[in-house]
Amino acid sequence: QKEVEQDPGPLSVPEGAIVSLNCTYSNSAFQYFMWYRQYSRKGPELLMYTYSSGNKEDGRFTAQVDKSSKYISLFIRDSQPSDSATYLCAMSKTSGNTGKLIFGQGTTLQVKP
Amino acid sequence: EPEVTQTPSHQVTQMGQEVILRCVPISNHLYFYWYRQILGQKVEFLVSFYNNEISEKSEIFDDQFSVERPDGSNFTLKIRSTKLEDSAMYFCASSGANTEAFFGQGTRLTVV
Repeated sequence: QKEVEQDPGPLSVPEGAIVSLNCTYSNSAFQYFMWYRQYSRKGPELLMYTYSSGNKEDGRFTAQVDKSSKYISLFIRDSQPSDSATYLCAMSKTSGNTGKLIFGQGTTLQVKP
Repeated sequence: EPEVTQTPSHQVTQMGQEVILRCVPISNHLYFYWYRQILGQKVEFLVSFYNNEISEKSEIFDDQFSVERPDGSNFTLKIRSTKLEDSAMYFCASSGANTEAFFGQGTRLTVV
């Protein structure tokens, strides 16, 4: 079983839709959970950073962590064409300063005008 | 806004040659990382570096790889004898105490 699983998509939605992106993981030692956005041939850009279970909201983005189910989600409200990118989940057993990040495969999102 | 800077953006090298990829982390960060992403595959951890030594490395980071912080600002990744399968995007990242990791824009390495 892979440590982090993420459906690669592609996921295509109309502008204004609510997007739900998800990852599952197998290692219960993961404590820190991140979502990165990556445009083609560019570096990952941090969107959300959460610790343990719960919700975190930042503008149109909401991150959810359910440690009991080993399941994390990213919701994008009022999606825009500029949100079209690959979204990577990443997780760590320790805080970002000393731990390595384990990434999911990434989900490619296309938001159509 | 502070950012991680990587040079060059694209490097083409012949198989067997040595390459050095360069990174300037965010200035007050203490922890430094290299990751790679083979085309179409996931981002993979290579190595983490703190206090002038490697703190963790992956199975990918074998004897052909080395890292160095030569002058207090640059952070380099050296591949001694490149192989075709080393072709990938290489990302440098840095983080401060109790902060998340920020990534550079990457160096695309093509081994021919």
